[in-house]
Amino acid sequence: AQSVTQLGSHVSVSEGALVLLRCNYSSSVPPYLFWYVQYPNQGLQLLLKYTSAATLVKGINGFEAEFKKSETSFHLTKPSAHMSDAAEYFCAVSVPGGGADGLTFGKGTHLIIQP
Amino acid sequence: NAGVMQNPRHLVRRRGQEARLRCSPMKGHSHVYWYRQLPEEGLKFMVYLQKENIIDESGMPKERFSAEFPKEGPSILRIQQVVRGDSAAYFCASSPQPTSSANYGYTFGSGTRLTVV
Repeated sequence: AQSVTQLGSHVSVSEGALVLLRCNYSSSVPPYLFWYVQYPNQGLQLLLKYTSAATLVKGINGFEAEFKKSETSFHLTKPSAHMSDAAEYFCAVSVPGGGADGLTFGKGTHLIIQP
Repeated sequence: NAGVMQNPRHLVRRRGQEARLRCSPMKGHSHVYWYRQLPEEGLKFMVYLQKENIIDESGMPKERFSAEFPKEGPSILRIQQVVRGDSAAYFCASSPQPTSSANYGYTFGSGTRLTVV
């Protein structure tokens, strides 16, 4: 079975600073990986996904993530944080052909942006 | 093209009552997934349904919880005799294909926040 670990339940950065949210996965087969963002009292919005094409994936709102098989990681980055980035971020994994089991989510990282 | 619609947005029930949560998938989507989010937790998969069929209910509690996705109308997640531990946000997602979680990272609704008092 696959699993996801997000390091740091809360991350605080200054506006304009680099954002780095960590995600490590465990999977017996090459996985598909996702980052979602959740604003207060909202549903989840897909930021970006890795599906075995380019290892550096660009998403919406200036975010990107790099799949590193050797490190079993899929960290999310953004060069310059904006106040509107404050939200909860979830990393998720699925396995090809395993759609019936849905996605496996990490516990989330709450991103705080300081002015 | 409306997204995934869930209602109600907020639901308050007393212990022992029944809770019914509704999910209308995106137009053209025939696959529905339900997730539960507890405070300070990520989303946990509950059940995967296609029209009139339950495909995978491995994440559903064995008692009091049931789900359906009829030929006509929304998908319903039903919780009988609710207890305080059922208080959570319940999210529905839909996709056009069964393995779309891999290819699309399917579309989520805004959730129903259930509070049991």
